[in-house]
Amino acid sequence: AQKITQTQPGMFVQEKEAVTLDCTYDTSDPSYGLFWYKQPSSGEMIFLIYQGSYDQQNATEGRYSLNFQKARKSANLVISASQLGDSAMYFCAMRGYNQGGKLIFGQGTELSVKP
Amino acid sequence: DARVTQTPRHKVTEMGQEVTMRCQPILGHNTVFWYRQTMMQGLELLAYFRNRAPLDDSGMPKDRFSAEMPDATLATLKIQPSEPRDSAVYFCASAGGGETQYFGPGTRLLVL
Repeated sequence: AQKITQTQPGMFVQEKEAVTLDCTYDTSDPSYGLFWYKQPSSGEMIFLIYQGSYDQQNATEGRYSLNFQKARKSANLVISASQLGDSAMYFCAMRGYNQGGKLIFGQGTELSVKP
Repeated sequence: DARVTQTPRHKVTEMGQEVTMRCQPILGHNTVFWYRQTMMQGLELLAYFRNRAPLDDSGMPKDRFSAEMPDATLATLKIQPSEPRDSAVYFCASAGGGETQYFGPGTRLLVL
């Protein structure tokens, strides 16, 4: 069975500081993809970053980077230089390649950025 | 700026009524997903299509829910009859040849 675990229901960070949002996963698929999405209070789901299980390097997209540790089955999101607009729910998700196109989501972490 | 669109954005209805939600995937994307988000269950996949053919609808209550893709630019999710426990946000997402699924803004459904 596949599972995504986000153990931090809520987090606070000071503006301009970096923050790490934790995500661990469990899968028996030899090949899989890991994703992070942002959901602001307006409700839309915004894709942030993707990491393939065979990618040699950690993914980066602007201020977002994914700290992928395959042996630990973790895929933490690092946001550098936090901004007030980063306040939102963040969801980690996984797609196993033997599971078709299905994304499995974690329960989310609510990030609040303080001025 | 290519986006997934969904209509309606909000829907309030009474128990027993039919609800139809529509989704227009990003042009050229051949895979369309329907997800439901609730506080209790989080985000869960209801069904998805590739090249308009249904591939997996195991997450969908079959007795009242149905999903179709009449053409490549339109996906529909129908609930008949609706029940209060169907109240949720329903997201449509689409994907092209890559890994990433792009989500629409969602339909907020409230069944009274």
